[in-house]
Amino acid sequence: NAGVTQTPKFRILKIGQSMTLQCTQDMNHNYMYWYRQDPGMGLKLIYYSVGAGITDKGEVPNGYNVSRSTTEDFPLRLELAAPSQTSVYFCASSYSQSYEQYFGPGTRLTVT
Amino acid sequence: AQRVTQPEKLLSVFKGAPVELKCNYSYSGSPELFWYVQYSRQRLQLLLRHISRESIKGFTADLNKGETSFHLKKPFAQEEDSAMYYCALSSGGYNKLIFGAGTRLAVHP
Repeated sequence: NAGVTQTPKFRILKIGQSMTLQCTQDMNHNYMYWYRQDPGMGLKLIYYSVGAGITDKGEVPNGYNVSRSTTEDFPLRLELAAPSQTSVYFCASSYSQSYEQYFGPGTRLTVT
Repeated sequence: AQRVTQPEKLLSVFKGAPVELKCNYSYSGSPELFWYVQYSRQRLQLLLRHISRESIKGFTADLNKGETSFHLKKPFAQEEDSAMYYCALSSGGYNKLIFGAGTRLAVHP
């Protein structure tokens, strides 16, 4: 199993550009999450999903959108990139409530 | 407000010394707490959770509801323990995690 994979590993965006961060898991997990981590800070939840077709906002959802059309994929969309979105983005998945979360390797995004 | 606080950014010890990484939380309810670890060039991974009450790699953590703490302890640090450690609180169902800012543990030979 590859576990949780994320693409790209690195990306530089100009202000106002759009992009999609990809996240795929091959563990048949129902729950998936997107977090961001700013320098010196803990991870903060952006969006989460408890199954295909079901998504909900986390702590810091502004400026992002998500979709969950399949169990495996949970892409994160940035529509109008802003410097405040410069961060490391982590995708994670878990089987269900109270189960371990498995993390991807992260995507380092810089917006200039 | 729900919050996790890790007061130390860096904890530096010598091999064989005891280690205690501090974690305090704020949560109105029955908390579910975790320690996650990130070794150099590896992914964030679960180290232990309070409900399992187990020891992983010699580390233990006890939930103290009176002091709202979940400190991580190891009696004898090893060089391979050097990593970034994050305390996390499961909040509001659906396994949503609130993370502390992390503590970097550096174990010197």
